Amino acid sequence: NAGVMQNPRHLVRRRGQEARLRCSPMKGHSHVYWYRQLPEEGLKFMVYLQKENIIDESGMPKERFSAEFPKEGPSILRIQQVVRGDSAAYFCASSRQVGDGYTFGSGTRLTVV
Amino acid sequence: QQQVKQSPQSLIVQKGGISIINCAYENTAFDYFPWYQQFPGKGPALLIAIRPDVSEKKEGRFTISFNKSAKQFSLHIMDSQPGDSATYFCAATRTDKLIFGTGTRLQVFP
Repeated sequence: NAGVMQNPRHLVRRRGQEARLRCSPMKGHSHVYWYRQLPEEGLKFMVYLQKENIIDESGMPKERFSAEFPKEGPSILRIQQVVRGDSAAYFCASSRQVGDGYTFGSGTRLTVV
Repeated sequence: QQQVKQSPQSLIVQKGGISIINCAYENTAFDYFPWYQQFPGKGPALLIAIRPDVSEKKEGRFTISFNKSAKQFSLHIMDSQPGDSATYFCAATRTDKLIFGTGTRLQVFP
């Protein structure tokens, strides 16, 4: 039973390019959450999705960031026109039910050069 | 209302000692309080969790103490080991996203 799978593990993008981060939740988990972690800082909530629905995107920047969790396939966090300030570790987590503990992936470390 | 305040920011403990990390919350609607452990370069891993209907939960060397009236909860690591050196996050939720504390970096020296 594989855990939460995130890829790529490391991603380097030049300023202005697009970054696509993928997350496959644990088997049987239909709730997906994305968090951002800056160096030496805590985890900041970005977005909460269920299959085909965005439930809460209150932590997402208003521009350049979007997320989806299609009926088939992984959840995608998309960052358009990346800037240096987007450099961070992005973690995806999943849960079976709302209010359960999350299982986190190993993260994608985005570096914008 | 949505914040979870965590202290201390860093903690140094000698091997065999007790590590104590504290968290406080404001939203009385929170009903699930997990602790996560994160090693460098890894994702956070669920360590132990508690719901407000009990005041204490123990799993091995790890204990959560919960004070509902004070809106505080703490993690106690007994007989701390060098392998416990990591960053610890408390969190809270009610039926939706987890709100995390800012983390405590624990270093256990031999």
